[in-house]
Amino acid sequence: QQQVKQSPQSLIVQKGGISIINCAYENTAFDYFPWYQQFPGKGPALLIAIRPDVSEKKEGRFTISFNKSAKQFSLHIMDSQPGDSATYFCAAKSTSQGGKLIFGQGTELSVKP
Amino acid sequence: SQTIHQWPATLVQPVGSPLSLECTVEGTSNPNLYWYRQAAGRGLQLLFYSVGIGQISSEVPQNLSASRPQDRQFILSSKKLLLSDSGFYLCATRRRDLSYEQYFGPGTRLTVT
Repeated sequence: QQQVKQSPQSLIVQKGGISIINCAYENTAFDYFPWYQQFPGKGPALLIAIRPDVSEKKEGRFTISFNKSAKQFSLHIMDSQPGDSATYFCAAKSTSQGGKLIFGQGTELSVKP
Repeated sequence: SQTIHQWPATLVQPVGSPLSLECTVEGTSNPNLYWYRQAAGRGLQLLFYSVGIGQISSEVPQNLSASRPQDRQFILSSKKLLLSDSGFYLCATRRRDLSYEQYFGPGTRLTVT
């Protein structure tokens, strides 16, 4: 049972454009929502995260928007660069079961020069 | 900061052979530890998690097992590998505090032939 749905599966953006990746969750027993960036052959790296009592968090060119009532959150990458080309995963942390993360299926982002 | 080591980095094993992958963590005590598998495609499948020495929870019934013989050591094993066990195996750790941040290791690429 997939509890975090991520879209789109792939995304092509021009350099300097805005990349937007969306996630929706189906369970309210989550208390932390991170985003990971993964390059081929590497482990996922924590990019940015938000807690449900905050509606937006910004770190450099990366922003998370969180809508608790809609159970949706999104990642915005401003001024996208070719070096941002990677696979991005959203996740939601369970309040039980060892605090495990439930991951979305990933979005493959390609930023064209 | 936490450092996660995974050994080996790559492994090619024949069907029916045993498996042992090791994960060790530095820079934290009594962490939660996780094993994930990433098959072709992009999804991250949680296999096992541990909240303490000797405490293992299994997420997916299969021919793999996990053990935590020491506080910062997590081992993934199999008695007989299947072709379907091929994939990218990732160890992850999370501190037992309110940071909620989960970090991944560099991964082990397993090919079963």
